[in-house]
Amino acid sequence: DAGITQSPRHKVTETGTPVTLRCHQTENHRYMYWYRQDPGHGLRLIHYSYGVKDTDKGEVSDGYSVSRSKTEDFLLTLESATSSQTSVYFCAISDARTDSGANVLTFGAGSRLTVL
Amino acid sequence: TQLLEQSPQFLSIQEGENLTVYCNSSSVFSSLQWYRQEPGEGPVLLVTVVTGGEVKKLKRLTFQFGDARKDSSLHITAAQPGDTGLYLCAVRIQGAQKLVFGQGTRLTINP
Repeated sequence: DAGITQSPRHKVTETGTPVTLRCHQTENHRYMYWYRQDPGHGLRLIHYSYGVKDTDKGEVSDGYSVSRSKTEDFLLTLESATSSQTSVYFCAISDARTDSGANVLTFGAGSRLTVL
Repeated sequence: TQLLEQSPQFLSIQEGENLTVYCNSSSVFSSLQWYRQEPGEGPVLLVTVVTGGEVKKLKRLTFQFGDARKDSSLHITAAQPGDTGLYLCAVRIQGAQKLVFGQGTRLTINP
């Protein structure tokens, strides 16, 4: 299995507090992604990175920021958590090198965040 | 509006039955992927389809990409309890290395 770990796996916090989720990979993949998963919505992209210090917004980026200071780590920060950010957050990685041109993702196990 | 519409959203059937789930769009894609997600885990890639009309088989699972590359189906023959999970289709956004997912079909196979 690809080496991708998320931490923490579970977190309960209060509205208005900052939260940082960490994604660590040992595969040296160029691309890293943060998705959130909510019932009825599948997976929605928050932010992604295409290299060290290179990031871009996804479809639900409001209220989130990211940083990637080295290849192996991609951090997702909620500056001031809100109840609407209660969700399961998944990190994914890709090297985007497939014969078909498809971008195959390998996912972490998820981080469950509850904002009270 | 969802780029990818999956149907049905929920499906519960008995072991041994056959089923088909769908992933539809009005857009054309160069490829489409199917993932399966089990409780407490991240999604895992099942298959990538690339060519219009392409059929791929993975044991009892048959995946088809529509001729116009706008839709796909997943057919399971003789479903087993181990097939239970959330099935997600996904496509790559043109010109970007990011995937958009459908909302998923939650499949339950009852013994």
